[in-house]
Amino acid sequence: EAQVTQNPRYLITVTGKKLTVTCSQNMNHEYMSWYRQDPGLGLRQIYYSMNVEVTDKGDVPEGYKVSRKEKRNFPLILESPSPNQTSLYFCASSPGPREQYFGPGTRLTVT
Amino acid sequence: AQKITQTQPGMFVQEKEAVTLDCTYDTSDQSYGLFWYKQPSSGEMIFLIYQGSYDEQNATEGRYSLNFQKARKSANLVISASQLGDSAMYFCAMSPNTGFQKLVFGTGTRLLVSP
Repeated sequence: EAQVTQNPRYLITVTGKKLTVTCSQNMNHEYMSWYRQDPGLGLRQIYYSMNVEVTDKGDVPEGYKVSRKEKRNFPLILESPSPNQTSLYFCASSPGPREQYFGPGTRLTVT
Repeated sequence: AQKITQTQPGMFVQEKEAVTLDCTYDTSDQSYGLFWYKQPSSGEMIFLIYQGSYDEQNATEGRYSLNFQKARKSANLVISASQLGDSAMYFCAMSPNTGFQKLVFGTGTRLLVSP
């Protein structure tokens, strides 16, 4: 089944403890992206990647890192999480500009 | 910079009726794409429909159609024959048609379909 998977789906952590949210797609898509969703703000892009080893900042990259060492994986790294990074995170992949496939989301709480 | 505006925080509609969800956009790009996504209470983002800025006909996907008025910079979603399962958040979004690089979302409209 063609899909985007994210792990973990739910995470509660403490301020400053490094964490990684994994994202994987099995559709051989070149484009991948991370978004965060906050009430009243819609979804905002954090980082995107157009291919292996090619990444760039979106609208809200501060406090996040990404890497794209393999085509299928695009992990999101929070080196030192803070409470303002409490949010719902979505990974997405796309074969081109007309379609995007979203993962199920990861709900992160930073206390 | 691109911007999407959804002015309706919430909409109510009765089952089997049609409903229009408003979306206006702002961009200086000549080429761009417009999207609508549905987010049910379970949280996943479901792609509904896409319209390219150079597409001459309005996009349709089953009960969904996109009323694209380029001069007015609007891309309203029309849902015909509403169903209870249509109750959800709906997001309008746009991207440069040259690539997937950036998808900008509106703040969403919550639709409630009543029996």
